[in-house]
Amino acid sequence: GDSVTQMEGPVTLSEEAFLTINCTYTATGYPSLFWYVQYPGEGLQLLLKATKADDKGSNKGFEATYRKETTSFHLEKGSVQVSDSAVYFCAPHNFNKFYFGSGTKLNVKP
Amino acid sequence: NAGVTQTPKFQVLKTGQSMTLQCAQDMNHNSMYWYRQDPGMGLRLIYYSASEGTTDKGEVPNGYNVSRLNKREFSLRLESAAPSQTSVYFCASMTVTNTGELFFGEGSRLTVL
Repeated sequence: GDSVTQMEGPVTLSEEAFLTINCTYTATGYPSLFWYVQYPGEGLQLLLKATKADDKGSNKGFEATYRKETTSFHLEKGSVQVSDSAVYFCAPHNFNKFYFGSGTKLNVKP
Repeated sequence: NAGVTQTPKFQVLKTGQSMTLQCAQDMNHNSMYWYRQDPGMGLRLIYYSASEGTTDKGEVPNGYNVSRLNKREFSLRLESAAPSQTSVYFCASMTVTNTGELFFGEGSRLTVL
């Protein structure tokens, strides 16, 4: 079945550092790919998405590119802020189902 | 806009007790989902409903039942709660399109003693 693997956290960075969170997936067909973010005490919310190969999703300074050849969708941000501290989930979407990764907790220190 | 509303937000049960988690969405979405979130395990799908009148099992359906009461409401029932069901439960909904976005409720924290 479909599945997703995310890099384990927590990831601790200083403010303005560069962020990469790795995500790889296995899926039948061509899933859409999503990154969701969960701030403390809240439900998940969509951060960005890409629906086909080579698409780049972007939002709030975060970016991820749909790499079909490597089945990856790595999340990047050039300069993180304290307010980016949260848990990030990679989630392929296929046949009306989402498959969530285990989540990567990001701590950004001032 | 209310979005997805879950009740209750917190609940403590004793082993063997039953309860129902309620979920309602006001976005006219066709698909609704119940997930549980456990430390280090991400979100796991319990049940989902692709449309009114249909329900299907997800990854971890054992010990749960669901009802899609109408297009707006999707409830999750624990008939005989067990400590292994201690978790945070999230309801979500999605538009009908295959590239749709999930909208989540704020979660319900359940503790089974």
